[in-house]
Amino acid sequence: GENVEQHPSTLSVQEGDSAVIKCTYSDSASNYFPWYKQELGKRPQLIIDIRSNVGEKKDQRIAVTLNKTAKHFSLHITETQPEDSAVYFCAASQVLDGQNFVFGPGTRLSVLP
Amino acid sequence: EAQVTQNPRYLITVTGKKLTVTCSQNMNHEYMSWYRQDPGLGLRQIYYSMNVEVTDKGDVPEGYKVSRKEKRNFPLILESPSPNQTSLYFCASLPGRGHGYGYTFGSGTRLTVV
Repeated sequence: GENVEQHPSTLSVQEGDSAVIKCTYSDSASNYFPWYKQELGKRPQLIIDIRSNVGEKKDQRIAVTLNKTAKHFSLHITETQPEDSAVYFCAASQVLDGQNFVFGPGTRLSVLP
Repeated sequence: EAQVTQNPRYLITVTGKKLTVTCSQNMNHEYMSWYRQDPGLGLRQIYYSMNVEVTDKGDVPEGYKVSRKEKRNFPLILESPSPNQTSLYFCASLPGRGHGYGYTFGSGTRLTVV
């Protein structure tokens, strides 16, 4: 089955700097890669996703890149702000296939003022 | 408002006392799942359901049961809870094939078994 690894487990950056979180997956059949943000005490919320027919996707200060050959994808956050502090989870799935939706272990991002 | 509703938000119970955590979604989603979240382990799938009367085990199903008698509801049942089931539980739903991507999560249920 699918296995998703995520690095680093914790990340501290200064406000205004960029943050990068990387994930690798094992199942070449996976073709949908969402990222979730979980603020303290709250539910995970989808922030951006990418499908395997696209190499990069941007939404304002966040972007995701995908390297299908190497089976890894990354979340990039630019101009970080204190409200970006949260735990970020990557996941891999076959599109719309609920049973193969596997999450990474999470990255705790702290943005220092 | 489109949402996934879980109840209760917090629950403290004793070992062996059966409990049910309810989950309901109002988005007519086909897929529903239960996850547990433990420090350092991320989100692990307990059970999932692809439609009414269709359920299957996820990665950590031991000690749990589910049912899907109606499309909107997907309760999680712990017949005989044990302390190792102390965790934060999330219910989530997904539209289904051809209708969109990404899970919508409920607010979570923090369960403590003493």
